[in-house]
Amino acid sequence: AQSVTQLDSQVPVFEEAPVELRCNYSSSVSVYLFWYVQYPNQGLQLLLKYLSGSTLVESINGFEAEFNKSQTSFHLRKPSVHISDTAEYFCAVLYSGGYQKVTFGIGTKLQVIP
Amino acid sequence: EAGVTQFPSHSVIEKGQTVTLRCDPISGHDNLYWYRRVMGKEIKFLLHFVKESKQDESGMPNNRFLAERTGGTYSTLKVQPAELEDSGVYFCASSQGGGSSRPYNEQFFGPGTRLTVL
Repeated sequence: AQSVTQLDSQVPVFEEAPVELRCNYSSSVSVYLFWYVQYPNQGLQLLLKYLSGSTLVESINGFEAEFNKSQTSFHLRKPSVHISDTAEYFCAVLYSGGYQKVTFGIGTKLQVIP
Repeated sequence: EAGVTQFPSHSVIEKGQTVTLRCDPISGHDNLYWYRRVMGKEIKFLLHFVKESKQDESGMPNNRFLAERTGGTYSTLKVQPAELEDSGVYFCASSQGGGSSRPYNEQFFGPGTRLTVL
């Protein structure tokens, strides 16, 4: 079965420190990868996506993720977090060739400590 | 342009009652999806409409759940009768049509409806 694993359910980090949120997915021939973010009391927002091409993708607010096919990973990183980054982050995969059904990880709560 | 909207934002009902959730997709989006997140678990796919037709309903938990999309615009998800395990956040998403020429259609999510069954 297709699955996405986010090993860390909660990640506390001090403001201005770096952070990495880990994501691994079950192997498939072709995948599209996403990170969604849910800020408190808001809906899911797409943070960044990998469809093809460069394996390093970036968001407008300083996050980046790297697609690693050999390790089936798509870890999310930010070199210096802000209080406003406090949110829950979901890694997600769309397995191409089938229906448009997104498979999500369990989510990682990022808590930025002042 | 308005995003995906969902109503109500919260619903608290007793076991055995009926609840209907509504989703209004972004105007012009042919694809509409329902997902659910039970507390502490992953967000899981329920079903996918293309216009008014069910493209994929493989994630529907059982026959207590009925989804409709009459006219290909808004959609409703009815739970009848509700059970305790139906509690969770129900998300709706929509995306443009585009057929096989597009690699994928970005799904835009609504804020969700938090359902609590007591």
